[in-house]
Amino acid sequence: QITLKESGPTLVKPTQTLTLTCTFSGFSLSTSGVGVGWIRQPPGKALEWLALIYWDDDKRYSPSLKSRLTITKDTSKNQVVLTMTNLDPVDTATYYCAQILNWNYFDSWGQGTLITVSS
Amino acid sequence: DIQMTQSPSSVSASIGDRVTITCRASQGISSWLAWYQQKPGKAPKLLIYAASSLQSGVPSRFSGSGSGTDFTLTISSLQPEDFATYYCQQANSFPITFGQGTRLEIK
Repeated sequence: QITLKESGPTLVKPTQTLTLTCTFSGFSLSTSGVGVGWIRQPPGKALEWLALIYWDDDKRYSPSLKSRLTITKDTSKNQVVLTMTNLDPVDTATYYCAQILNWNYFDSWGQGTLITVSS
Repeated sequence: DIQMTQSPSSVSASIGDRVTITCRASQGISSWLAWYQQKPGKAPKLLIYAASSLQSGVPSRFSGSGSGTDFTLTISSLQPEDFATYYCQQANSFPITFGQGTRLEIK
């Protein structure tokens, strides 16, 4: 059974840095073709892809957020970490991590974590 | 970036109805398209990938078609649990992009 779970602070102040951790089980990020991505969803709005890391450490970022994002993996801990700098209230959203198993479709998702950016 | 446009933005239908949702890509994406279902307060769930392949465990009343720029998701006979918001996503190239969503409501 594949599970993913996001963790991190629920409230962040403007200009601060957000660090989110995705802890997963049921698959290995050292298996060829596997990846983990981050997607966010502001309240009442659509899904927005943020970043993706593959088994071979290839990393992809949304161009509009690339300067603010860093994605890393720790295969031994079954974790993927997303760092976002210089937070703004518009970054308030539910942040999801999701597995990619061959091709860039998000097969399994975490439950999501709501991040509020406010002073 | 490839823009994904869904229509309609919302639709009302009754149990047993056949419903079709459309997704149009701003440029050709071959069959690199997925459909997701999202219920309130829950994570999206993959329904269809590669435009027409049914994800394991998804009921056969869901089907997808299309290639190039125009795609459809069809629910052949609506069930109570199908009322949700549906998103398309292109997997052809980076950045990965989603449609704006189609809300399926009970009439």
